[in-house]
Amino acid sequence: EIVLTQSPGTLSLSPGERATLSCRASQSVISSYLAWYQQKPGQAPRLLIYGASSRATGIPDRLSGSGSGTDFTLTISRLEPEDFAVYYCQQYGSSPLTFGGGTKVEIK
Amino acid sequence: EVQLLESGGGLVQPGGSLRLSCVASGFIFTNYAMSWVRQAPGKGLEWVSGITGSGGSTYYADSVRGRFTISRDNSKNTVFLQMSSLRAEDTAAYYCAKDVRFGNAGLYYFDYWGQGTLVTVSS
Repeated sequence: EIVLTQSPGTLSLSPGERATLSCRASQSVISSYLAWYQQKPGQAPRLLIYGASSRATGIPDRLSGSGSGTDFTLTISRLEPEDFAVYYCQQYGSSPLTFGGGTKVEIK
Repeated sequence: EVQLLESGGGLVQPGGSLRLSCVASGFIFTNYAMSWVRQAPGKGLEWVSGITGSGGSTYYADSVRGRFTISRDNSKNTVFLQMSSLRAEDTAAYYCAKDVRFGNAGLYYFDYWGQGTLVTVSS
């Protein structure tokens, strides 16, 4: 099973600042099969990024994904109020599917 | 518009059983794999089980294998999760999620999620 470790656990930033979230895999993720989701309190997760760097429908270009192998990054170039949430990575290159533990982006 | 509506959650005693349902609409149900993902209170996401579009292949997390059974009725656009031998650690919100993968080649990632149904295992 591929274990995904997200860091930091919490990121305290102000609107307009840049956020960099890390997702590290215990072994190489096949074909960069990595997705990112956003979850707000009381809501279901929402797909942001798939294939490590492709944005899902309707996702603004201030969000971007990068990485390959075991190291992946989600970057939010300028935080908007609606970006404060919890973010999860998920790998789908190997069975079983696994999620990271999440990074909370909170308002400083 | 894609919609996923879960039901069947509730309070159950340890060792008991529960059956969750998820009714889907807005897409050709039989074409896509479906999964259940759970989230314990205040915790992260955990993939639980998945099933291909035809229902011919099923997948389980080690934590539930042998206790949970996933199935689907394509004539009713519904996916089920039969849970038995429930434990306190199964307490969570259970989300139904639509896979992006067309066909029967396995599981990928999820483009639509339901709002979840809460399962509480407690005496």
